[in-house]
This record gives sequence, C-alpha cells and structure tokens, in this order.
Amino acid sequence: RKEVEQDPGPFNVPEGATVAFNCTYSNSASQSFFWYRQDCRKEPKLLMSVYSSGNEDGRFTAQLNRASQYISLLIRDSKLSDSATYLCVVNPTGYSTLTFGKGTMLLVSP
Amino acid sequence: DGGITQSPKYLFRKEGQNVTLSCEQNLNHDAMYWYRQDPGQGLRLIYYSQIVNDFQKGDIAEGYSVSREKKESFPLTVTSAQKNPTAFYLCASSAGGSRGSYNEQFFGPGTRLTVL
Repeated sequence: RKEVEQDPGPFNVPEGATVAFNCTYSNSASQSFFWYRQDCRKEPKLLMSVYSSGNEDGRFTAQLNRASQYISLLIRDSKLSDSATYLCVVNPTGYSTLTFGKGTMLLVSP
Repeated sequence: DGGITQSPKYLFRKEGQNVTLSCEQNLNHDAMYWYRQDPGQGLRLIYYSQIVNDFQKGDIAEGYSVSREKKESFPLTVTSAQKNPTAFYLCASSAGGSRGSYNEQFFGPGTRLTVL
C-alpha cells in the first residue's frame, strides 16, 4: 500500500458544483495532515491543515478519520480559480518530514 | 516580505556538468528541504536539514549534495552522477525540526533544470 494515495483525476466540474477529494494514508501513527494546492508549473501552497475535529475555511472543509486512515477535502460552490492540483500531505513520524500524495487535478469549467 | 527565494528560475546544463541551485529563506525557520518533482509525479524528498551544519538524506539523495552553513541558506548541487537530472526542483522550509513541533512547510517558486 502506498504511503499516501489519492485519486489522480482529473475531476471536471462546472462552476458552482461541490467536489470532494479523498486521500488514504498507510501509517496509523501519522501525526499531522495538510492539503496543499499546486497550480500548473508553480510551487505547492498550503491550503489548510486538517484537524481531528474537522475544520472549515470559507468554501473549503477538511475532515480526518483516524480509524479509517482517511482524509477528505470538500470544495463548495467551485470557482474557475479553484482549478489546480490538490495534494494530500501527511506527517508520518511527528518529525519535520512530510509525505506527499501525487495529487488530484481539478478542472472547473464555465 | 518574508519568504523563500530560489534561483535561477530556469537552468540549462550540459551532461557531465555539476550545477548548484540556490535556496534562501528569511522566515527564521530551522528546517529546510529539497524536493524533486517530475511531470505527473508527486514530490520526492532529496535532502533535508533540521539545523545548521546538519543534514540528512531523503528518499532520492544519490547524485545530489547539500550544505547548511547558514540558517538562511540550503544550496543543492546536482552532480554529474545524477542520471536523470531534468526536473522541477523545489526548496521548502518549516519552523521546527523537533518532534511534535508545528511543521507546515512553505515552498519557494522552484527551479526548472534541463539537461541538454
């Protein structure tokens, strides 16, 4: 089983749609979790951290299920500017190194 | 403005040449990292450093070397021993290297290296 697995997509959705990304991780002792966004030919940028209680930032909601080793990202009311690749990121050891998924590409169309 | 800078943005190298990629941060972060990204692939860790004058190999360190003489700087040398060096190289930093510390990583804009 890969350390961090994501659906590669692409997800093609119309503007205004709700879209959900899923991610699974293999190390049950993983300490912290993040979603990053990467635009084409740019660097990844932190979108949000994922907390055990779940967290929301505007149109974005992240959930963590430790029992199932599963993380999700929900985007409501999709905008054209949301088109990007979304990276699921896990800290497997509690130290500073992170493990990145390969990303899920989102394409939002008019 | 606080941030991470990488230079150059684009770099072309002939086979057999060593080349050094620059990474500087003014975020006062202790830890710094180098990743490689190939088309359609995830980020792979090359080297990382949690403190000045110390660094560790990542998953794909062969053919690369680093130094960490200053907190702000973490240059990466791609040597001629690296078989497939053409890639997008990303430098990142985070606040702390100790266990349990806040460890979000922040990235520089990257360097695209092409071997001719």
